[in-house]
Amino acid sequence: NAGVMQNPRHLVRRRGQEARLRCSPMKGHSHVYWYRQLPEEGLKFMVYLQKENIIDESGMPKERFSAEFPKEGPSILRIQQVVRGDSAAYFCASSRTDTYEQYFGPGTRLTVT
Amino acid sequence: KQEVTQIPAALSVPEGENLVLNCSFTDSAIYNLQWFRQDPGKGLTSLLLIQSSQREQTSGRLNASLDKSSGRSTLYIAASQPGDSATYLCAVRTGRTYKYIFGTGTRLKVLA
Repeated sequence: NAGVMQNPRHLVRRRGQEARLRCSPMKGHSHVYWYRQLPEEGLKFMVYLQKENIIDESGMPKERFSAEFPKEGPSILRIQQVVRGDSAAYFCASSRTDTYEQYFGPGTRLTVT
Repeated sequence: KQEVTQIPAALSVPEGENLVLNCSFTDSAIYNLQWFRQDPGKGLTSLLLIQSSQREQTSGRLNASLDKSSGRSTLYIAASQPGDSATYLCAVRTGRTYKYIFGTGTRLKVLA
């Protein structure tokens, strides 16, 4: 059973470009969570999704950020018009419905130049 | 609003010592609590999950306890080894919103 997969592992974007981060949950997991970790800081919750539904997006910036988890395919975190402050490691986690135990992917490190 | 605090922020111990990491949370209406380790530049590895109805969980040299009434969880590591060196994070899933709130972590260094 493959673990949570994230790609790309490293992403470099110039200011103003768009960044798309992908997360494939573990098999049998229908819940996906996205977190952001700034250097030397803790993990900050961004959004919690189930298939085709956003359950809680209270940690998402109101502008430029969006997330989806379609019926088929990976979850996508999209950042439009990136700025230097978006540089961070973005982690996704997935869980099953019964225990909600989270399993994390290796993260995508976004660098905005 | 749920807040999660971990003390100490950093800890350095000689190999072989038993040690305790602390996690405090302000809202006792939690669904579960999960402990993780994070190695530098890597993702998080799940160590233990404690459901709100449980008092403790054990896995190998690790034991985690949960006291909801006092808003505390402890992670006990027995006979520490240099390979245990990492940042340890606790995360609380709140019963009302179902999202996880992370503590800021304890950076552990076990000296050979």
